[in-house]
Parts: sequence; C-alpha cells; structure tokens
Amino acid sequence: DAGVTQSPTHLIKTRGQQVTLRCSPKSGHDTVSWYQQALGQGPQFIFQYYEEEERQRGNFPDRFSGHQFPNYSSELNVNALWLGDSALYLCASSQIYASGLLYEQYFGPGTRLTVT
Amino acid sequence: AQSVTQLDSQVPVFEEAPVELRCNYSSSVSVYLFWYVQYPNQGLQLLLKYLSGSTLVKGINGFEAEFNKSQTSFHLRKPSVHISDTAEYFCAVSDPRTGGFKTIFGAGTRLFVKA
Repeated sequence: DAGVTQSPTHLIKTRGQQVTLRCSPKSGHDTVSWYQQALGQGPQFIFQYYEEEERQRGNFPDRFSGHQFPNYSSELNVNALWLGDSALYLCASSQIYASGLLYEQYFGPGTRLTVT
Repeated sequence: AQSVTQLDSQVPVFEEAPVELRCNYSSSVSVYLFWYVQYPNQGLQLLLKYLSGSTLVKGINGFEAEFNKSQTSFHLRKPSVHISDTAEYFCAVSDPRTGGFKTIFGAGTRLFVKA
C-alpha cells in the first residue's frame, strides 16, 4: 500500500516565478492538507481540501492556492515567489469518518523548495 | 486560538537513559493531541495520538504520553532511548469542533541520543 507521495522532491525557482507542487494521498484517503515547514520550525497549516473544495485555510496570502482532483490528488500553487517561501512543503492525507471528524494525518516526504 | 509550546528546543541524553519531551498547549476547549517524529530529510511520522478516554497513550517505538487536562500538558516519555531515536519531535493539537481539520504544531524538540 503506497503512502502519501509528493513530487518533485526538490525544486529551485527564482523570485517572482510560479510553482506547482503535487501530492497523491494514501489509498483510501479523501482529504489532503498542505503545510509549510521553514528551516528549524514546525509545520504551518496552509489549507485543506475535501470533496474538491478548500475547507479550511491558515494564515497564508492568496498567492497560495490549491486544487483537489476527483481522484483525491492535490496541487499546491504558489505565485510571485518570495525568498521567504523557501521551505519544505508537506502534504498530509487523511480520512473523514462517518462522524464527520478527521482523526490523524499521514505525511508525505515533502518537496524542498528553494527560491533564489 | 490554540497554540502549542514545546519547552525544550534540544534534549541531549545518553543511550538507554529515560527521556521526557515536554509539551504544553493552550485551548479553551477539548482537543486532539499528537506527537510526530521527523527524521532528517523525511516527512512526519505519527508516534501517538490522544482523542479521548484513557489519559495514558501508548505509541510506536516504545513511546508513551500522558494527557493532563488541568496542566494542559501532553509530555512524551520513553524509558530507554536508542541511538536511532535521534530525531526532531513535534507536539501538535487540533480542534474536534472543526472536525480536526487544522493541526497546530509546536516548534519541535531535537532529541540527540549519545553513545
């Protein structure tokens, strides 16, 4: 059973450019969340997708956008890249139970984005 | 708003010694609590979780944590550590009222196990 997969592994971009990161959830999971982890810090919640809609959003500007596809995979797009966007971007998948609650998340290995 | 404070940024310990990594959270409502481990250049792996019920939670790799509602703490413990436990450990909290969607992480504690 494949876990959460992310691509690419590493990426180098220039300030002002746009980037798209991809995530495939663990089999059986229907919810995808994205986190930004700056060097030496804990992950920060960007947003979460369920049923192809953004359900919750953290304190990130509109430059950060996403999409979820019918097969539950997801993309994170960042426009007008800043140096401060350099970080490890983590995707996490989970399953919404009949109770409507989400209990635990499974994380992918991340995409390391460097903005120069 | 919820927040998580990990009281130690680094914890050095000798192999086979016990260890406690401290975590306090701030929330006015009931919470879900988690501990994750991150090895170098990898994603996060769930060690254990507290959703409800028994306040002593057992996880993988011999780790356990105790939920203390009065002290709003969720400290992680292991009775005897191994070199392979060297990693970054993150305490996290989510709000069941909003379905547990948004998880707030602490800044992390680096556990360094010495031979």
